[in-house]
Amino acid sequence: EIVLTQSPGTLSLSPGERATLSCRASQGVSRNYLAWYQQRPGQAPRLLIYGASSRAAGIPGRFTGSGSGTDFTLTISRLEPEDFAVYYCQQYGASQTFGQGTKVEIK
Amino acid sequence: QVLLQQSGPGLVKPSQTLSLTCAISGDSVSSKTAAWAWIRQSPSRGLEWLGRTYYRSEWYHDYAVFVASRIAISADTSKNQFSLQLNSVSPEDTAVYYCARDWLRWYFDFWGQGTPVTVSS
Repeated sequence: EIVLTQSPGTLSLSPGERATLSCRASQGVSRNYLAWYQQRPGQAPRLLIYGASSRAAGIPGRFTGSGSGTDFTLTISRLEPEDFAVYYCQQYGASQTFGQGTKVEIK
Repeated sequence: QVLLQQSGPGLVKPSQTLSLTCAISGDSVSSKTAAWAWIRQSPSRGLEWLGRTYYRSEWYHDYAVFVASRIAISADTSKNQFSLQLNSVSPEDTAVYYCARDWLRWYFDFWGQGTPVTVSS
């Protein structure tokens, strides 16, 4: 099973700042089959990125996914108030597993 | 737009069966490109994929190893919905349960609203 480790556990930032979230896989993710999700309190996760870098329908351009192999990054260029949430990565190159999440909180 | 509406009890007694249903609108449970999955989330274990069902000229099911002996996911084409049954539950099965569309058996692009389930006597 591929284990995904996300860092940092919590990111404290102010609105308008740039957020950089990391997702590291225990082995290479086949064909960069990696997705990112956003989860706001009391809501289900929402798909942001698939295929490591493709934005899902309706996702704003400030969300960018990058990376390959074992190291992947989600960047939020300028944080909006609604972006403060928990973010998860998920790989689907070998079965499907999730990371433990990174919380982006208001500083 | 795909909408998934979950239903089922929020309290189950230990050793009994957890049963949840997910009604689909905007797609078909018999889709040749989607699968239909159950995922749960708890503070201690995070997001866990439990299993899925999908139709590719016949019905298939995949289950996570850690629940494979006590899980069943089934589809009802007449109602365009799918269901989860988890047998012999214990307090460790307490979690929020989500249904989701598993696109191409890759990623989850539409989710139900979630059902908090507590296992307690």
